Amino acid sequence: DTAVSQTPKYLVTQMGNDKSIKCEQNLGHDTMYWYKQDSKKFLKIMFSYNNKELIINETVPNRFSPKSPDKAHLNLHINSLELGDSAVYFCASSQDPGGIGTEAFFGQGTRLTVV
Amino acid sequence: QKEVEQNSGPLSVPEGAIASLNCTYSDRGSQSFFWYRQYSGKSPELIMFIYSNGDKEDGRFTAQLNKASQYVSLLIRDSQPSDSATYLCASARGNQFYFGTGTSLTVIP
Repeated sequence: DTAVSQTPKYLVTQMGNDKSIKCEQNLGHDTMYWYKQDSKKFLKIMFSYNNKELIINETVPNRFSPKSPDKAHLNLHINSLELGDSAVYFCASSQDPGGIGTEAFFGQGTRLTVV
Repeated sequence: QKEVEQNSGPLSVPEGAIASLNCTYSDRGSQSFFWYRQYSGKSPELIMFIYSNGDKEDGRFTAQLNKASQYVSLLIRDSQPSDSATYLCASARGNQFYFGTGTSLTVIP
C-alpha cells in the first residue's frame, strides 16, 4: 500500500495546455509539499501545505496552483504549459509538528514533458 | 545563494572503497539534516538523519555534522555497485526541507 502516491507517472502534453497532477498520502501527515526536480537533480520546493493551508509559496509562476481538498490530498494544476515546465514533479509529506528528525516521504514522481 | 550546497560530482570510487560526500548549509537555524539516496528514475529515499554535532553510524553509513562549520558529510564504507546513485543532502527547520543539488556517485566493480 503506497504511502505517498501521485498520478500520472508520465505526462506528455503540448505547450499551452492545462494539466493536473494528483497526490494522496495515507500516512496521516498534516504537511504536504510539491517539489520540482530539474535535469540537474535540484529538488526545488514549490509549495508547502499544512492541514490544507498554504505555508510556503516559493517564487513559482502563478500558472501553478496547488489545491488541497483535505489534508490527505494535494493536487497541482498547471495552466498554459511552457517548455520550461518540463521536469519531474515530486509530492511529499511529513508529520506535524516537524520535530527533530522528521523526514519527508516522497511519491514516485511525475515526469512532465511539454512539447 | 542556495540553502544547501553540494558538489555535484560525479564521484567515482572502486568497489570496497570509502565514498565521502559533503554538504554545507546556510541557515544556522536548521535543526535536522538528512541524506537521501535517489536511483535514476526513482524517488528520493531516506538513508540517515542527524541533528547533533559529531558522528552517527548506521551499518556502512556514517553521517557527520559540524554545526560551527555548517557542514554535513556522509561516508559510505565498503562501497558496493548498488550504492551507485545520486545522494541528496537536505536541511530542515521544522517542516521545511531544503535540498542540495545532489552528488552523483558511481561505484566501479
